[in-house]
Amino acid sequence: DTGVSQDPRHKITKRGQNVTFRCDPISEHNRLYWYRQTLGQGPEFLTYFQNEAQLEKSRLLSDRFSAERPKGSFSTLEIQRTEQGDSAMYLCARNQGNGGELFFGEGSRLTVL
Amino acid sequence: AQSVTQLGSHVSVSEGALVLLRCNYSSSVPPYLFWYVQYPNQGLQLLLKYTSAATLVKGINDFEAEFKKSETSFHLTKPSAHMSDAAEYFCAVSSRDGGTALIFGKGTTLSVSS
Repeated sequence: DTGVSQDPRHKITKRGQNVTFRCDPISEHNRLYWYRQTLGQGPEFLTYFQNEAQLEKSRLLSDRFSAERPKGSFSTLEIQRTEQGDSAMYLCARNQGNGGELFFGEGSRLTVL
Repeated sequence: AQSVTQLGSHVSVSEGALVLLRCNYSSSVPPYLFWYVQYPNQGLQLLLKYTSAATLVKGINDFEAEFKKSETSFHLTKPSAHMSDAAEYFCAVSSRDGGTALIFGKGTTLSVSS
């Protein structure tokens, strides 16, 4: 158990619809990260939060993507007007201590038809 | 900027054979280095990490990796492969000051045959 829960595990949607993913880390007041992983690729960094502050966003995070972490606890990642290219696994991760390692949830797989 | 290159997108070994998965990194600051494993339809699990204490790092399931600064490498090895080792393996790098997120390589798929 990595202490990161993600919901839903799998989402199938039609192109143009909005989708939202949720991530619940075991503890608050630490860093929380979002990554995207497409088939055959390594995870690509999207954004991260320190408590409720969004400190860094990748250029991969287009205007259709928005992430929040109200109160520094759970986080949501919303994709508006989904496109087929958004089909991927969306991974959430938390850090622990100063060792740099991240602990990942099992991911939310998005399929856009 | 930091980056990771994993040499070989697919490695096949026989059960009981040596496993060697290659990783080279690029970093302008002293790095932290990691190996993660991913089984189908699951998240990533940390195998081991290098954080400057010792250059030879031991991880779970008898995996180990050696940090070689002169070669900018962090190759993953296991003396004897087991069928259950078949998975996707990712090397990752970050900066020691925690100022950057983990940057991952593209991964290496390990197949183990009986």
